Amino acid sequence: QSVLTQPPSASGTPGQRVTISCSGSSSNIGSNTVNWYQQLPGTAPKLLIYSNNQRPSGVPDRFSGSKSGTSASLAISGLQSEDEADYYCAAWDDSLDYVFGTGTKVTVL
Amino acid sequence: QVQLVQSGAEVKKPGASVKVSCKASGYTFTSYGISWVRQAPGQGLEWMGWISAYNGNTNYAQKLQGRVTMTTDTSTSTAYMELRSLRSDDTAVYYCARTMIVVVTPDYWGQGTLVTVSS
Repeated sequence: QSVLTQPPSASGTPGQRVTISCSGSSSNIGSNTVNWYQQLPGTAPKLLIYSNNQRPSGVPDRFSGSKSGTSASLAISGLQSEDEADYYCAAWDDSLDYVFGTGTKVTVL
Repeated sequence: QVQLVQSGAEVKKPGASVKVSCKASGYTFTSYGISWVRQAPGQGLEWMGWISAYNGNTNYAQKLQGRVTMTTDTSTSTAYMELRSLRSDDTAVYYCARTMIVVVTPDYWGQGTLVTVSS
């Protein structure tokens, strides 16, 4: 079972800004960095954000991450139809497990 | 370009074992690790563990301790994940992912291998 909690869904119209939250605890987000993954339908996950707010090469700057205390968030600005996907946060837990969030399905209306 | 190519789909009976391979290319294999993550049908992602291709050190998810073994063959840049005593709830797509060692983070992912456990 996931120990990082995300809203099951989020939506917006093209061009809007969408934010996804990720709530954890002092043993994971509170003491370790947060990563975000995008999973397009029927494909493998892709690293979107690492170390709270760093974008790998090739990831558009429309995607941004932040962390505060035991929570983190992913923002998608200028929402596009190709952003329709599942998004997962992840972080190391002090139990030495790498834990994923429950996942958020983003729909572009 | 970084590529991780996994072995094909498997169908196993309860109690059997499965071994999935993951062949890496496009980077120096021993400078990274390999993580394994699975996803049951319609469900979220579950981390299984990771292995350093540099020194072979492993870190398995507590839930799978004793049932999973991860290995690497540096001569062929291939990682392997073996899961034993399979149950129906092990049915999932299994992914391998290159993992940065300094800040242990899975970055590039394989295409996934569907393992179906059914009698």
